[in-house]
Amino acid sequence: GQSLEQPSEVTAVEGAIVQINCTYQTSGFYGLSWYQQHDGGAPTFLSYNGLDGLEETGRFSSFLSRSDSYGYLLLQELQMKDSASYFCAVRDRVTGGGNKLTFGTGTQLKVEL
Amino acid sequence: NAGVTQTPKFRVLKTGQSMTLLCAQDMNHEYMYWYRQDPGMGLRLIHYSVGEGTTAKGEVPDGYNVSRLKKQNFLLGLESAAPSQTSVYFCASTPGGTGANVLTFGAGSRLTVL
Repeated sequence: GQSLEQPSEVTAVEGAIVQINCTYQTSGFYGLSWYQQHDGGAPTFLSYNGLDGLEETGRFSSFLSRSDSYGYLLLQELQMKDSASYFCAVRDRVTGGGNKLTFGTGTQLKVEL
Repeated sequence: NAGVTQTPKFRVLKTGQSMTLLCAQDMNHEYMYWYRQDPGMGLRLIHYSVGEGTTAKGEVPDGYNVSRLKKQNFLLGLESAAPSQTSVYFCASTPGGTGANVLTFGAGSRLTVL
């Protein structure tokens, strides 16, 4: 099966940088994704890493090390609107073709003034 | 463009009742998924489909059934609802190929079983 670990809560101040780590165990690994979810809302896609290294999208960056089964999401210049839950998810192959995503339990980020 | 639409948004059931949640996507996506979300548990995969006419079990399939008779629709059924099925249910879809990295989620369906 698959398992992912990420911290349950992180608190940071506006304007700061925060890193949310994710370690995983899975077979048939394709890649690691990150999703953001505000309270009462649906998860929305942030970033994907299929290969080792850093992917940058505006204030958000994501990193993957396949050999360490580890990745992180880096949020820079934090804003109050970044207060949300962040989920890592692994994409792996399934029998019969296709793929599926397994999610971690999420990290609640609180941004304070 | 509606994206992924879930109906109903809210429902209250009594133990033992049955119901069906409907997910419809207008993006011609191949893959569709049903997740449930409970506090502190993250998103757990119930069932998924890799194409019209196919379904497969996820990590928490017990007590649920699904059907994908048409490519755009993915139905989740509860035959005999139990309080443990009180949850928020999310449907999601992805295209095949390289686009399969990005899930598009519906707004969610909040189900309470009394």
